[in-house]
Amino acid sequence: GQSLEQPSEVTAVEGAIVQINCTYQTSGFYGLSWYQQHDGGAPTFLSYNALDGLEETGRFSSFLSRSDSYGYLLLQELQMKDSASYFCAVREGYNQGGKLIFGQGTELSVKP
Amino acid sequence: SQTIHQWPATLVQPVGSPLSLECTVEGTSNPNLYWYRQAAGRGLQLLFYSVGIGQISSEVPQNLSASRPQDRQFILSSKKLLLSDSGFYLCAWSETGYGTQPQHFGDGTRLSIL
Repeated sequence: GQSLEQPSEVTAVEGAIVQINCTYQTSGFYGLSWYQQHDGGAPTFLSYNALDGLEETGRFSSFLSRSDSYGYLLLQELQMKDSASYFCAVREGYNQGGKLIFGQGTELSVKP
Repeated sequence: SQTIHQWPATLVQPVGSPLSLECTVEGTSNPNLYWYRQAAGRGLQLLFYSVGIGQISSEVPQNLSASRPQDRQFILSSKKLLLSDSGFYLCAWSETGYGTQPQHFGDGTRLSIL
């Protein structure tokens, strides 16, 4: 079957660094994405890794190890506005309309 | 620029009533379109996706159906709503093609079944 595992909750303080892990088990793999969703809002795209290694976008970085079926999202210099849910998602197939399988999400709480 | 419109934002319906949620995309052609449902505190469950007009793929057998009557219009329907249909419904689109194709979400419809 297909599954994506990520921690349900993470708490950190403002200014700190936090890492949200994601392990996946899917029948195919064509990339790992990360989305952010504030309470009651729409998910927004953060990053995408198709190849092993680290992708950096401002304060956010995302890492992928395909051999370990593992990735993480790294958030630096945490701000209160980073409090949100973060979802990892796998693109499983090449010809399936770009559909994604989402994890259950990690709720990040940033404390002052 | 591309935009996605989804309405209504909130909907309260009695059990057994029909449903029609509409989603439209502007500023792009031949997008991939998706309908998701999200239960409170949970992940996104893909319900349907479409790669073109009249082409619908169903991911989860259920009480719902989807249609794509126009290139940038995606409709989610039900003939008779169940209590279990309550949830947050999200429409999304992405460019066609391979590689990095992020999905862009509408603001969602919060559906409550009474």
